[in-house]
Amino acid sequence: EIVLTQSPGTMSLSPGERATLSCRASQGVATRFLAWYRQSPGQPPRLLIYATSYRASGIPDRFSGSGSGTDFSLTISSLEPEDFAVYFCQHYGNSPHSYTFGQGTKLEIK
Amino acid sequence: QGQLVESGGGVVRPGRSLRLSCAAAEFSFSGYSMHWVRQPPGKGLEWVAVVWNDGADKYYADSVKGRFTISRDNSKNTLYLQMNNLRADDTAVYYCAREGITSTGFYSYAMDVWGPGTTVTVSS
Repeated sequence: EIVLTQSPGTMSLSPGERATLSCRASQGVATRFLAWYRQSPGQPPRLLIYATSYRASGIPDRFSGSGSGTDFSLTISSLEPEDFAVYFCQHYGNSPHSYTFGQGTKLEIK
Repeated sequence: QGQLVESGGGVVRPGRSLRLSCAAAEFSFSGYSMHWVRQPPGKGLEWVAVVWNDGADKYYADSVKGRFTISRDNSKNTLYLQMNNLRADDTAVYYCAREGITSTGFYSYAMDVWGPGTTVTVSS
């Protein structure tokens, strides 16, 4: 089973700054199987990116995803107040069918 | 876009059972795979189970295999999670979520619609 490790655990930045979050897989994964979510306190997760780099419906273009193999990243070009939240990456595995989440990165206001 | 609302959570003693429901609205429920995902207090997300759109295939996390059963009733637009032999480490907020379909008609392998969640507490 693939393990996803996110870094850093916590990131402190200011509004307007650029954020880059990392998700590393324990073995190579297909780009179509890697997604990112944002979760604000008391809310369910919201899908941001699927298939490594495709923005979900309604997601602004300040969010972008990239990566391949074992290393993937989510970049937020200019932080808005609502972006200070926890971010999770997620992988689908087909042998056996399973879905795995990273442990999360908390993005906090500096 | 779609809406999901979970129900059935509560406080239950270890070893007992509970059934969660998830009512879907504003999308064609029978066309989508559906998931349960849980989040223990103060912790991250854990995938629990998925059922294919027609209910024919179901897959589970190892932590719940043999104790939990996912099912759906497409005539009622409802997803279920039967949880048996509950343990303290099953305590969590349980979310139902829809697996998205891309504009080209393929599964996105990501969850694009989520319910607000229902809380399950297993305690003696």
